[in-house]
This record gives sequence, C-alpha cells and structure tokens, in this order.
Amino acid sequence: QQPVQSPQAVILREGEDAVINCSSSKALYSVHWYRQKHGEAPVFLMILLKGGEQKGHEKISASFNEKKQQSSLYLTASQLSYSGTYFCGTEAGANNLFFGTGTRLTVIP
Amino acid sequence: EADIYQTPRYLVIGTGKKITLECSQTMGHDKMYWYQQDPGMELHLIHYSYGVNSTEKGDLSSESTVSRIRTEHFPLTLESARPSHTSQYLCASSELGSTNEKLFFGSGTQLSVL
Repeated sequence: QQPVQSPQAVILREGEDAVINCSSSKALYSVHWYRQKHGEAPVFLMILLKGGEQKGHEKISASFNEKKQQSSLYLTASQLSYSGTYFCGTEAGANNLFFGTGTRLTVIP
Repeated sequence: EADIYQTPRYLVIGTGKKITLECSQTMGHDKMYWYQQDPGMELHLIHYSYGVNSTEKGDLSSESTVSRIRTEHFPLTLESARPSHTSQYLCASSELGSTNEKLFFGSGTQLSVL
C-alpha cells in the first residue's frame, strides 16, 4: 500500500533539473512531499489536495494527477542545499500517511 | 519552526533494558505519531494518537507501547530492548489530524541496542 518512488537515487550537478515520481496502487486524495537531510527530521515541502493541482516552492514544484494516481516533484536549477532524501506521503486511512520508499538526491558542485 | 522535541537524541543500551523515548510538542496539536525509520529507508508508522487517552497501533507491528496522558506529551516505551529494535524513532504531530495538513517532525532518537 505504500507509494512507490522513482528514481531511488539521482546525482545532479548544480543548476541541473530533476523529476521525482510517486505512484500509488490506490486512489489518491492528497499527496505530501517532505525532504530529509542526513541525520535530521523530515521537513514539509508541500501538499497537493486535488487532481490537476500544481504548487511551487521557490524552484521546487509538484503536480498531482489523481487519475493516474501519481504525483511528480520538479526541482529546477538545483542547488547544493537541495541534497537529501525526498519522500512522498499518501493517505493510508484513519487520516494517516503512508510514506514512499524515498529518493536520495545528491547535488554536486 | 517546529516546536516538537525528542530526547534523547542518541541512546545506546544493552539488551533487556527498559527505555522510554520522550516526545513533547508546544503547539497544542491533538494528533501525534511515532514513526520508525531504518537507515536510508522509508518511514513506518508504529503508533498514533488522536488526543488525550487515545492510542492506536500503526501499520508496522511494534513491541513498543505509547501513552498520551497530556496533550503535549507522547512517550514511547520498550519494556525489554533487543538488537532488532535498533533504529531511528521519529515523533510527529499535526493540528487536526487530517491528511490535508502537514506533519511537524521532531529531530528523532537514534536507538542502538547492543
């Protein structure tokens, strides 16, 4: 029931773009995105609440396709500070979240 | 930004010991959670609470127990720690408990059982 993320890991040079995908086998009503740096707590990035919604946060944005049961996170012109593991979270019932398998992003100079 | 605190930050103990991981939040949030995370892996929900005197088990079976006597406090206890309990434990809270709102996470407790 946990969402599946792809890719599992990606290495970028500063300034390059990346896309992280999150897919679910069940209907999605909302999607969360969090970033976790090594040894730190996950930090909230954004929530998408309905199909077709797109949101942006600086140079990080996301889309939500409820029909395809997936969401994508877009990182443009990546910075060193973008390094970390990105998790999507989808509803699991009882108003809890299932978190995805994570995508480890490394940005190098 | 987050006002949710976990102690200790790191804990190394021997097998068979009883331990309690502390989690407190000052935001007045009703819903609180405990997640378990192995290195480089996803977060698994092990316990949650809707409010005072409410505790529920999450999707990952855990030998730990929790209590919620006060809104701000949600401790996790292991009666007899084993090496298989070695992991990172993350506490989180949300205001209303809906999946339409974000989770605030504590910094975590890294537990090592020898």
